[in-house]
Amino acid sequence: QKEVEQNSGPLSVPEGAIASLNCTYSDRGSQSFFWYRQYSGKSPELIMSIYSNGDKEDGRFTAQLNKASQYVSLLIRDSQPSDSATYLCAVKGTGGFKTIFGAGTRLFVKA
Amino acid sequence: GAVVSQHPSWVICKSGTSVKIECRSLDFQATTMFWYRQFPKQSLMLMATSNEGSKATYEQGVEKDKFLINHASLTLSTLTVTSAHPEDSSFYICSATYGSPGDFFGQGTRLTVV
Repeated sequence: QKEVEQNSGPLSVPEGAIASLNCTYSDRGSQSFFWYRQYSGKSPELIMSIYSNGDKEDGRFTAQLNKASQYVSLLIRDSQPSDSATYLCAVKGTGGFKTIFGAGTRLFVKA
Repeated sequence: GAVVSQHPSWVICKSGTSVKIECRSLDFQATTMFWYRQFPKQSLMLMATSNEGSKATYEQGVEKDKFLINHASLTLSTLTVTSAHPEDSSFYICSATYGSPGDFFGQGTRLTVV
C-alpha cells in the first residue's frame, strides 16, 4: 500500500466549476497535511496546509481533513484555466521531518 | 516567503561525467535540506536528507556513493551526481523548511545525460 494515494486523473472541469481532489494516507500518526501545485516542468509550490480535523479556507481553496478516515481533500471553487496543473498531496509524520508525496492528480480546467 | 534557489536550472552532460547541483537558502538559514528526484509523470521521490555539518541521510535504494551530498554551510547544500548515466536523467529538486512545516522548493534542475 502506498503511503499517500491520489487518483492520478486527469480530472477535467469547466471554468467556474468546483474541482474536488482527494487523498488518503496510511500513517495514522501523521500530523501535518499539505497540498502543493506543480505546473509542468516547474517545482511544487505550497498552496494549503492543514493540521486539525475540519475545513480550512484560503481564498478559492478549501482543504478538508478527516483523521479518522485518513482522508484529505482540496476543493477549488470558481476554477480557472490557470488552475490547470498537477496537485500533490503531501503528509508529514510524527517526526515532522520528511514529507511523503502522493503521485499527484492532474487537473484540467476547460475555458 | 522563504526563497530557495537552485542552480543550474538545466544541464546536459556526457555519460560518465559528474554533475553538481547547488541549493541555496537565500534569506534564511537551513540546517536541513531535502533532495528529491522526479521522473516524468511521477511524484517526487525523496532521495536524501541533507544535514548541515554532518552526513546526509539517504533513503533506501539511493546509492550514497553515486549521489554525493554536501551541506557545508547553513545556506548551501550540493548534490553531485557522479559517473552519470542516461538513467540518471531526471528532474532534481531541493527543498528546505522555514517556520511553518511546509517545504519551500528550489526551481529544480533538469538533468539530461547523453
